[in-house]
Amino acid sequence: AQSVAQPEDQVNVAEGNPLTVKCTYSVSGNPYLFWYVQYPNRGLQFLLKYITGDNLVKGSYGFEAEFNKSQTSFHLKKPSALVSDSALYFCAVRDVNNAGNMLTFGGGTRLMVKP
Amino acid sequence: DTEVTQTPKHLVMGMTNKKSLKCEQHMGHRAMYWYKQKAKKPPELMFVYSYEKLSINESVPSRFSPECPNSSLLNLHLHALQPEDSALYLCASSPRGRGPSSAGTDTQYFGPGTRLTVL
Repeated sequence: AQSVAQPEDQVNVAEGNPLTVKCTYSVSGNPYLFWYVQYPNRGLQFLLKYITGDNLVKGSYGFEAEFNKSQTSFHLKKPSALVSDSALYFCAVRDVNNAGNMLTFGGGTRLMVKP
Repeated sequence: DTEVTQTPKHLVMGMTNKKSLKCEQHMGHRAMYWYKQKAKKPPELMFVYSYEKLSINESVPSRFSPECPNSSLLNLHLHALQPEDSALYLCASSPRGRGPSSAGTDTQYFGPGTRLTVL
């Protein structure tokens, strides 16, 4: 079984400050990890993914995420937040043994960036 | 181009109506998905098509009927829906279908969704 948790329903940060959106996962094998962003009344946009290799993954719009196997975490980060980053963020996991190619999503974290 | 298109953007229907949602991608992807998303909740998987064949049905009620006419198109036929079926319906696609474990590395690309309201 695979699962993912986003412990914070909402994260508030001031514009220009660094932001972190937390994600922890549970899989039986090795994980494939994804971050998506969703703006109001829109579909999910892919930000970045971790498959293997370097633990620090760089993605779209200046976002990056760090894979930490010992802590089973994949936190999303950005050095300097923009008001336009305000949106709903979803972490997702797929177990390498999951031939069904099914993603399991976390509950989502709403990021609010204030001017 | 990583675009998945969905029509219509909005749909309002009565409980006795029959309607269809359409999804299209021209990226040559061989896996396509339907998700249902309630407000402020994560997407819930409904169906997966792999190489134009239904490979996963997540115990979805029969009032939802998927169809994959070809590798670029995915439809969701709706009949006798209930008000609780009101939601954002998302289509997604990924390059490879179900099978080799390496397909698990594939990214799913989502369309903008259809906002469905059932009266």
